[in-house]
Amino acid sequence: NAGVMQNPRHLVRRRGQEARLRCSPVKGHSHVYWYRQLPEEGLKFMVYLQKENIIDESGMPKERFSAEFPKEGPSILRIQQVVRGDSAAYFCASSLQGNQETQYFGPGTRLLVL
Amino acid sequence: DQQVKQNSPSLSVQEGRISILNCDYTNSMFDYFLWYKKYPAEGPTFLISISSIKDKNEDGRFTVFLNKSAKHLSLHIVPSQPGDSAVYFCAARFLGGYNKLIFGAGTRLAVHP
Repeated sequence: NAGVMQNPRHLVRRRGQEARLRCSPVKGHSHVYWYRQLPEEGLKFMVYLQKENIIDESGMPKERFSAEFPKEGPSILRIQQVVRGDSAAYFCASSLQGNQETQYFGPGTRLLVL
Repeated sequence: DQQVKQNSPSLSVQEGRISILNCDYTNSMFDYFLWYKKYPAEGPTFLISISSIKDKNEDGRFTVFLNKSAKHLSLHIVPSQPGDSAVYFCAARFLGGYNKLIFGAGTRLAVHP
């Protein structure tokens, strides 16, 4: 069974460009979570989605960031007009159900903003 | 506001000995705690968890202890092996909190021969 897949693994953008990060959950999982890790810090929750619904976006910056998990295809984390402070590792996790379920993480996308 | 704290950024242990990684939390609404292990350039891997209604959970070489009155948990690895060298993250989840995990900053464990 394939685990959580994320692509690209590395992404370089110049300030002002857009970044699109993709996440394919474990087959059969319908719950997706996005986390961000800054250097030397722990992972910080950003958003929790089920198919076609955003359940909890309490960790998402109010501007420039958006996430979706369509009925078909991967979940997308989109960052518009990137700034240097967006440089981080972005991890996606998935679970079979919501509460009381272990989250399984992907390998992450390392975003570098020049 | 750091609700989950791992105060030791690093730990060095000799192979075969016990590794003890510590984690403190401040929010009494946490009902479930997890430990994840992370190698460089990889995502976190689930290791072991414990519900707030228990004080101990064991899985092979890994045991997690929870002291609710002290708001403290620890991960014991016995015996430690070189392959255990990684960053260990403690995480907590709120009761009714949509499965959102709150992570500590991590402890880097080095197991040397």
